[in-house]
Amino acid sequence: DQQVKQNSPSLSVQEGRISILNCDYTNSMFDYFLWYKKYPAEGPTFLISISSIKDKNEDGRFTVFLNKSAKHLSLHIVPSQPGDSAVYFCAASEFTGANSKLTFGKGITLSVRP
Amino acid sequence: DSGVTQTPKHLITATGQRVTLRCSPRSGDLSVYWYQQSLDQGLQFLIHYYNGEERAKGNILERFSAQQFPDLHSELNLSSLELGDSALYFCASSVGSGKGSPLHFGNGTRLTVT
Repeated sequence: DQQVKQNSPSLSVQEGRISILNCDYTNSMFDYFLWYKKYPAEGPTFLISISSIKDKNEDGRFTVFLNKSAKHLSLHIVPSQPGDSAVYFCAASEFTGANSKLTFGKGITLSVRP
Repeated sequence: DSGVTQTPKHLITATGQRVTLRCSPRSGDLSVYWYQQSLDQGLQFLIHYYNGEERAKGNILERFSAQQFPDLHSELNLSSLELGDSALYFCASSVGSGKGSPLHFGNGTRLTVT
């Protein structure tokens, strides 16, 4: 049973426009959420995170929104650039005592058209 | 460059064989995580070590085992290999083991079982 779901496998946007990547989760014990970006032949790299006590976190062109009641988060990229074309993974963390376990979604492939 | 080194980059072997994947974490990181990414699957958590001790197990098969050595490098051993074990295996490291420690991933080892 997938606890972190990225239901859209791909997204294509025009350069300069906004990219909105969505993620849903089912486990109400998740208390920390992260987005990772992955280029081909490389490992995922950390992009941005948000704690469950917040509803928004912004870092430059990247903003993550969290709607706890809907168990939904989204990553907004404004403006989108061709270099943003990559696979984006949503991940959720459940802190259990001494450690946390990160659960990933299947990823969304973002293509930014010049 | 994430600072996490995984070797080898590619591995081709036959069913029934045994292989060892190696990971060197970033300098100063005490936690090592192993993830498996199969076709059309997200990153599946396998196992987490912190400073030489196993901290959490995920969907790791009994045919698979791992360890973290005193110098903090880690090895993932896969035995009695099956075709379905073909996947990308990622190692990640972090400073701590809690939710405030984003994971830093290596570039992965692509395992092909024929």
